[in-house]
Amino acid sequence: EDQVTQSPEALRLQEGESSSLNCSYTVSGLRGLFWYRQDPGKGPEFLFTLYSAGEEKEKERLKATLTKKESFLHITAPKPEDSATYLCAVAYSGAGSYQLTFGKGTKLSVIP
Amino acid sequence: DGGITQSPKYLFRKEGQNVTLSCEQNLNHDAMYWYRQDPGQGLRLIYYSQIVNDFQKGDIAEGYSVSREKKESFPLTVTSAQKNPTAFYLCASSTTLSSYYGYTFGSGTRLTVV
Repeated sequence: EDQVTQSPEALRLQEGESSSLNCSYTVSGLRGLFWYRQDPGKGPEFLFTLYSAGEEKEKERLKATLTKKESFLHITAPKPEDSATYLCAVAYSGAGSYQLTFGKGTKLSVIP
Repeated sequence: DGGITQSPKYLFRKEGQNVTLSCEQNLNHDAMYWYRQDPGQGLRLIYYSQIVNDFQKGDIAEGYSVSREKKESFPLTVTSAQKNPTAFYLCASSTTLSSYYGYTFGSGTRLTVV
């Protein structure tokens, strides 16, 4: 059973069409939930860290929220340059202290 | 600027050949990691190191080897025992408080068997 599940696997949006990506997790003792953006052929780029339920963080058109079992990455009025794969990862007390466990990602395509 | 440098960007391996992927960081991070990324599989941990001269196997260590002789460097060798090495390889580093700060990633090496 996957510990971190992202949905949907792929999402196509028209430019300006807001939506949300989901990251659900089954681990206990969450220490942090991380969102990364990855462009094709490149390494993931850090976006946000969330530490406790109820926490929210924003950056430009992106807003990340966290509950006890899932996180959402809300994209408001997306632009074509927001097209990328978005990765979610968790750090939790059951794993090695320095390890992150990743979901498989959501590939976002924003059509002009 | 501080960061992680992976080289080469593209690498081709012949059957039965060992190849080494380079990873260097100047962030003064203690921990370093190697991940393999395949389409639809997400990132899978190969090896990680929390301190110089020490490293641990991840989930898919078979057919790979690493060394950590310097804090800045964590090279990965893909041996001939790895039967399906074609993939995108990512190196990352973190402070030992990654629970709070997460990872910094390199730009990746794409390995192809020819």
